[in-house]
Order: sequence, then structure tokens, then C-alpha cells
Amino acid sequence: NAGVTQTPKFQVLKTGQSMTLQCAQDMNHEYMSWYRQDPGMGLRLIHYSVGAGITDQGEVPNGYNVSRSTTEDFPLRLLSAAPSQTSVYFCASSLLDSPLHFGNGTRLTVT
Amino acid sequence: GQQVMQIPQYQHVQEGEDFTTYCNSSTTLSNIQWYKQRPGGHPVFLIQLVKSGEVKKQKRLTFQFGEAKKNSSLHITATQTTDVGTYFCAGRPGNQFYFGTGTSLTVIP
Repeated sequence: NAGVTQTPKFQVLKTGQSMTLQCAQDMNHEYMSWYRQDPGMGLRLIHYSVGAGITDQGEVPNGYNVSRSTTEDFPLRLLSAAPSQTSVYFCASSLLDSPLHFGNGTRLTVT
Repeated sequence: GQQVMQIPQYQHVQEGEDFTTYCNSSTTLSNIQWYKQRPGGHPVFLIQLVKSGEVKKQKRLTFQFGEAKKNSSLHITATQTTDVGTYFCAGRPGNQFYFGTGTSLTVIP
């Protein structure tokens, strides 16, 4: 049972490049979400999904896209990377009304 | 903006002292959860509170949920060096989990 798997662990991008952060869970969780963590800002919700085919915006969605074609996968796409998107990104999943299970995070640097 | 505020942002204590972090929401929450994140790690679930006025204990940790379901606190009695990390509350006003800004705890041996 792998839990929540995030890839890659580290990534360096140049301004304007695009990339996809991968997130997969094998716990049949309906709820999946992406957070970014910046010093002094806590964990801020980017996008979330309550089931396959359903996505919604969180607190800081600009510059990011998501899709949920399957229950297991919830990729986060950066369309045109900016230095302000330098952060640590966490994917998390749960059954509805249950605790979140987090992945190990992706440390992204945009130069 | 941030819907769940947490204070203090940082706390340094001598080992053996007590520690408390407070969480306040601008809206009524259906439940509140607490997480701990060790340096370099990811948040790990500690506990969930659902009922108004609820109090739960885990060894030296005591968690409270306010009567109005808008605030919560985590109290650690007699801190140990293993308590080092950042403690987050997370509230659910709807489908979304909103996290507090976190309290970073340093324990001085």
C-alpha cells in the first residue's frame, strides 16, 4: 500500500516553462487536493477534487490547472512557470470527512 | 484571504515547559483537524474534533474545539525534544480544507 505518491521530488524550471506535477493514491479516496507551502504562509489550497470528473478552485488557483480523469490520479499543471511559483507542493487525499493523507512533497524552484 | 488564522507563528520553549497554539476561523467549521509537520517532512494527521466544546487527549497533548465551532487549541504539557515541528490546524467550512498558518515549535534541551 503506497499511499500518496508524488513525483518528482525536486524540479528546477526556467521562467515560462511548463510542467506537470504528478500525484497518485491507491486508497480509493474521493477527495484529492494540491497545496503549496511557503514560509510564514502555511499550506494554501490550490485546487481540489471531490471525485473523478469534478475539480474546483482553492485559495490560490491562478497559474495552475488540474484534471481528475480517474479516482487515483490528480496531476497539477503549471502552464507558464513564474518565480512566484517557487514553493514546496503537497498533494493530499482523503475519504470525505476524514483526515488528509499527504505525499512527500515536490520542491520546485523557478529561476 | 486566509480563513483560518493561527497564533503564535513561532514558539521557543525550554524542555519541560508547556506549549499552546490557538486556531481561529472566520466561519463556522464542520470539524477541525490538527496536523504535525517535522522539519523537512510532510504534515501528519494528529486528531479530528467534530462536536462543539469537544476535548480530546493524546498522552501529553490536549485538543479543544470551541463552543461556537470557530476556534480550537492544542496544548502540550511538559514538552520534549520529540515535539519539535510545526503544528497546523485545518478547518472545513465546506468541501475544502483550509489550513492555518502553523505554529513552529522549538524545544531547547
